[in-house]
Amino acid sequence: TQLLEQSPQFLSIQEGENLTVYCNSSSVFSSLQWYRQEPGEGPVLLVTVVTGGEVKKLKRLTFQFGDARKDSSLHITAAQPGDTGLYLCAGAPKNNNDMRFGAGTRLTVKP
Amino acid sequence: AAGVIQSPRHLIKEKRETATLKCYPIPRHDTVYWYQQGPGQDPQFLISFYEKMQSDKGSIPDRFSAQQFSDYHSELNMSSLELGDSALYFCASSPLGGRDSPLHFGNGTRLTVT
Repeated sequence: TQLLEQSPQFLSIQEGENLTVYCNSSSVFSSLQWYRQEPGEGPVLLVTVVTGGEVKKLKRLTFQFGDARKDSSLHITAAQPGDTGLYLCAGAPKNNNDMRFGAGTRLTVKP
Repeated sequence: AAGVIQSPRHLIKEKRETATLKCYPIPRHDTVYWYQQGPGQDPQFLISFYEKMQSDKGSIPDRFSAQQFSDYHSELNMSSLELGDSALYFCASSPLGGRDSPLHFGNGTRLTVT
C-alpha cells in the first residue's frame, strides 16, 4: 500500500481553469514536500510545508499542510500549458528518515 | 550551481548481465538516495546513505547493492539483470541528514534490459 495517497491520478484541463491536487496519509509527517517532474527528468522541488495548517504560495500555486500534518493540497489558479507535468508529494514519516513519494498526479493543461 | 550528476545517462544491458550506476551528489550534501521509477510510476525508494553509512533500505532487490565512497559519490550495482529492471534510476542528495530537507535529483540513468 502507498504511504502517501494522491488524487486524482490523472487530470486534464483547459488553460485558465483552476485545479486542486490532494495528498493524504494515515501517518503524521514532520513536513511534506511537493515536486514537479517532467518526462525524462528528475523531480524538482516546489515547496516544503512544515507547520500544521501552513499555507504557502508560489505564484499561481498554493500549498496547504493539514492541521494534523497528515495531508496536503496543491491548488493551481489559472493553469497554463507550462504547468503540465507529474506532481508528486513526498515525506518522511516519523518512524523513519527516508523520503517516500506518492503515486503522483499527472496534469495536462491544454491550450 | 552544481547539481547531482548521474552517469551514464543511458545504459543498455542484456538479461543476466551486471550494471553499475554512478551518482555524484551536490558538494557538502551528506545524504544520498537511490530511486527506481518505472514507466508511468512514482519513484520507488531503493536505498539511502548518510555520511557514507547505509541509512535505510526500501524495495531494493537482493541482486542490487550500493555503497557510498569517501568522496561521497555513490554507486548502485545491479547483477543478474532482469527485464523488469528496465526503468529510470534516480539519485538524489540532500543536506543536513536528509530528513525534512529537500531532495535534489539528478537527471537519472535510463536502464534498458533486453
